[in-house]
Amino acid sequence: EPEVTQTPSHQVTQMGQEVILRCVPISNHLYFYWYRQILGQKVEFLVSFYNNEISEKSEIFDDQFSVERPDGSNFTLKIRSTKLEDSAMYFCASSVGTGSYEQYFGPGTRLTVT
Amino acid sequence: GQNIDQPTEMTATEGAIVQINCTYQTSGFNGLFWYQQHAGEAPTFLSYNVLDGLEEKGRFSSFLSRSKGYSYLLLKELQMKDSASYLCASYNFNKFYFGSGTKLNVKP
Repeated sequence: EPEVTQTPSHQVTQMGQEVILRCVPISNHLYFYWYRQILGQKVEFLVSFYNNEISEKSEIFDDQFSVERPDGSNFTLKIRSTKLEDSAMYFCASSVGTGSYEQYFGPGTRLTVT
Repeated sequence: GQNIDQPTEMTATEGAIVQINCTYQTSGFNGLFWYQQHAGEAPTFLSYNVLDGLEEKGRFSSFLSRSKGYSYLLLKELQMKDSASYLCASYNFNKFYFGSGTKLNVKP
């Protein structure tokens, strides 16, 4: 069964550094998403991406964040100048789009900023 | 603004039926989603409602009333593996707003 994959599973970085989180959505899916979940808190929407551009973004998704689909398979989230409060689990998700709202989540990348 | 409320925790017995409620107040609304999340894992899609009424999917059903800003998830024939958090999320033009989740404890 096709699945969304994410790498790395765990990333440790120092405050102020840049990190890139990688995701490979399901191949025939057209909509891609990033979410974050701080430990013990709710899932928070960051951004949605369709047709090679940002479709929607939340208030959290400021200039510190960017997304890219550098090739036909990868979908990346870049976090610049990381802060302690960026420590969280970051989930990528994808959906077919037209006619189906069902989202498939990847296993997540745990980001720890020290 | 976005406001989604669900009970923090519920307990039910194996084999029973449980209803998890969700109320929402969001600026713009296109649908209501339910996800299951086991501790330490990613959310798993359960169901969504775009129109008012009941959607049934095996042991899980979800109901939506848009006029009341209310939804519920109904789980039948509870199994121990159903112990998890259940997340309600409203959808508005490709943006999702999640509630804090309801932790369901299923006891033998």
